[in-house]
Amino acid sequence: AQSVSQHNHHVILSEAASLELGCNYSYGGTVNLFWYVQYPGQHLQLLLKYFSGDPLVKGIKGFEAEFIKSKFSFNLRKPSVQWSDTAEYFCAVKGNNRLAFGKGNQVVVIP
Amino acid sequence: ETGVTQTPRHLVMGMTNKKSLKCEQHLGHNAMYWYKQSAKKPLELMFVYSLEERVENNSVPSRFSPECPNSSHLFLHLHTLQPEDSALYLCASSQDRLAVTYNEQFFGPGTRLTVL
Repeated sequence: AQSVSQHNHHVILSEAASLELGCNYSYGGTVNLFWYVQYPGQHLQLLLKYFSGDPLVKGIKGFEAEFIKSKFSFNLRKPSVQWSDTAEYFCAVKGNNRLAFGKGNQVVVIP
Repeated sequence: ETGVTQTPRHLVMGMTNKKSLKCEQHLGHNAMYWYKQSAKKPLELMFVYSLEERVENNSVPSRFSPECPNSSHLFLHLHTLQPEDSALYLCASSQDRLAVTYNEQFFGPGTRLTVL
């Protein structure tokens, strides 16, 4: 079964700083890749997804992620964060018809 | 608001109690899921229902018993739980189950369960 690794569980940064969250997975076959976000007190919601095509994916709220197949990675980036980006971010990988989530990154943006 | 609702939002129960969690989706989806979200652990998929048929059960203890009476409703019946079962239980739905095609999952707000 595939597994998903997210490093640096807690990230604290100031507004306007750049954010990059790493996501690595273990499955060697065809994958679909997702980033979900959970704002404080809210439900999990899809931030962006990769299914096929351009490996650089643009999502909502200025987020993007790049699929690098050779590195089994799907890192999430945002050039300039805002206080409202404070949330928990989960990477998920669908492979072999199973969806696996990472442990999440708790991101706190200080105004 | 995702179109997936869960009740109750918070539940405190003793180890000998019987309770049920309810999930309802208003999206016309065919697949529904129960997840367990514990602190510092990945989301754990518990059960998958597709067209009211249970298609996946990931080695979940029998003290958790799911029920899907129709494609819009999903229950999780709880009986003689343990303190380590305390967690956030999330319900999700998708157009079809993941094995069929790409499907975005829509999540409910979760039920925060505390077992004393």
